[in-house]
Amino acid sequence: AQSVAQPEDQVNVAEGNPLTVKCTYSVSGNPYLFWYVQYPNRGLQFLLKYITGDNLVKGSYGFEAEFNKSQTSFHLKKPSALVSDSALYFCAVRGSMEYGNKLVFGAGTILRVKS
Amino acid sequence: SQTIHQWPATLVQPVGSPLSLECTVEGTSNPNLYWYRQAAGRGLQLLFYSVGIGQISSEVPQNLSASRPQDRQFILSSKKLLLSDSGFYLCAFSRELRNNEQFFGPGTRLTVL
Repeated sequence: AQSVAQPEDQVNVAEGNPLTVKCTYSVSGNPYLFWYVQYPNRGLQFLLKYITGDNLVKGSYGFEAEFNKSQTSFHLKKPSALVSDSALYFCAVRGSMEYGNKLVFGAGTILRVKS
Repeated sequence: SQTIHQWPATLVQPVGSPLSLECTVEGTSNPNLYWYRQAAGRGLQLLFYSVGIGQISSEVPQNLSASRPQDRQFILSSKKLLLSDSGFYLCAFSRELRNNEQFFGPGTRLTVL
């Protein structure tokens, strides 16, 4: 069975500091990994994905994520946080054996960036 | 470019009333379609998904049903709403290839009173 864990309910960071939002996963087969961001009362916006290739994936708005197979992790990072990055972030995973492109989402992590 | 629409944006319904939420996709053909519910502003629960017209898979037993009468139209329904059906309903689509991300609509906020 597929599962995703986002161990932190909330991450607080000062503007200009680097940020990390953690994600670990469990799947059958090769993992396809995704990060999404959600602003209040909005749908989810796709940030980036890992399918294969380089372990460091670059995405929208200056975000990047590092795939670590041995630790089964896919942490989201940004070198310098902005106040406008404050939102709810979801990690999602799909195993290569999964039918229908179904994703399993983590519980979400609230990111608060303070000026 | 591909876009996804949901309506209505907000809905307040009494307990026991019917429900119909609509989702349409533009700019792609034969998409996979999904309905999610998000309760209390946090985790997403997959309710239904569809890989083609008339093909609906239910992920959890519940008071809701889904239909796909056309290739790019996905409808979420209920005959009688319960208080517990309140939440934020999100429709999403992915393109046919297996490694494609899902794209989400703007959502419908449903309040059952």
